Amino acid sequence: NAGVIQTPRHKVTGKGQEATLWCEPISGHSAVFWYRQTIVQGLEFLTYFRNQAPIDDSGMPKERFSAQMPNQSHSTLKIQSTQPQDSAVYLCASSLDRTGGPVQNTLYFGAGTRLSVL
Amino acid sequence: AQSVTQPDARVTVSEGASLQLRCKYSYFGTPYLFWYVQYPRQGLQLLLKYYPGDPVVQGVNGFEAEFSKSNSSFHLRKASVHWSDWAVYFCAVSMSTGGLSGKLTFGEGTQVTVIS
Repeated sequence: NAGVIQTPRHKVTGKGQEATLWCEPISGHSAVFWYRQTIVQGLEFLTYFRNQAPIDDSGMPKERFSAQMPNQSHSTLKIQSTQPQDSAVYLCASSLDRTGGPVQNTLYFGAGTRLSVL
Repeated sequence: AQSVTQPDARVTVSEGASLQLRCKYSYFGTPYLFWYVQYPRQGLQLLLKYYPGDPVVQGVNGFEAEFSKSNSSFHLRKASVHWSDWAVYFCAVSMSTGGLSGKLTFGEGTQVTVIS
C-alpha cells in the first residue's frame, strides 16, 4: 500500500496563474479530505468528499478554489488566479469513513504539495 | 464549536528525558481525539487515537496519551525521548456525529526539539 499520493510535491506559479493539485487516496478508502497548512493559520480544513460526493466545503474560499473527485482513485484541488496568500502546503488525506468511531475514521495523510505563488 | 489548544508552541527536551505535550479540547459531546506527528517535509502520521473507554491509550514508538474529561485534556507522554522524535506534534479532535465524519480540527502544533 503506497499510502496517499500527492502530486506534484512542489509547484511554483506566477501570480494570476492556475494551479491544479492532485491526490490519489488509499485504495478502498471512501473519504477524501483537503487541508491547507501555513505557519500563520496552522492546519485548516478545506473540503471533504465521501464516495466521490462533496459533503462539506465549509473551509473552501468562496472564490478561486474548487475541488473535484471524478472517480474513486483521485481528487483534484484547483486554484484559479493564484495569489501570494495562497502559498501553503496543501495536504490530502483519506479514510475508510464508516460508522464505528476513530478506527474507521482515522485520517491518513499524504506528504503534501507545497505551492509557492511568486 | 469544537476547538483544540496546544499551549506550548515549542518544547526542548534532552535525549533520554521524559516528554509531555499538552492538549486541551473544547467539544460538546463525545470526543474522538488524536495525536499526529509531522516530520520535516512530510505529511502527518498518526501516533495514537482515543475512543471512549480506557483513558490511557498506547501509540507507536513508545508514546501514550491520557484522556481526562474533567480537565478537557488529552496530554501526550513519552518516557524516554530519542533524537528521532524531533518533529511537530498536533493534537486533533474529530467531529464524529454517529461516526459519519472524520473531519478533524487541529491544534496549533508543538515543535519538539531534542538536544543531546
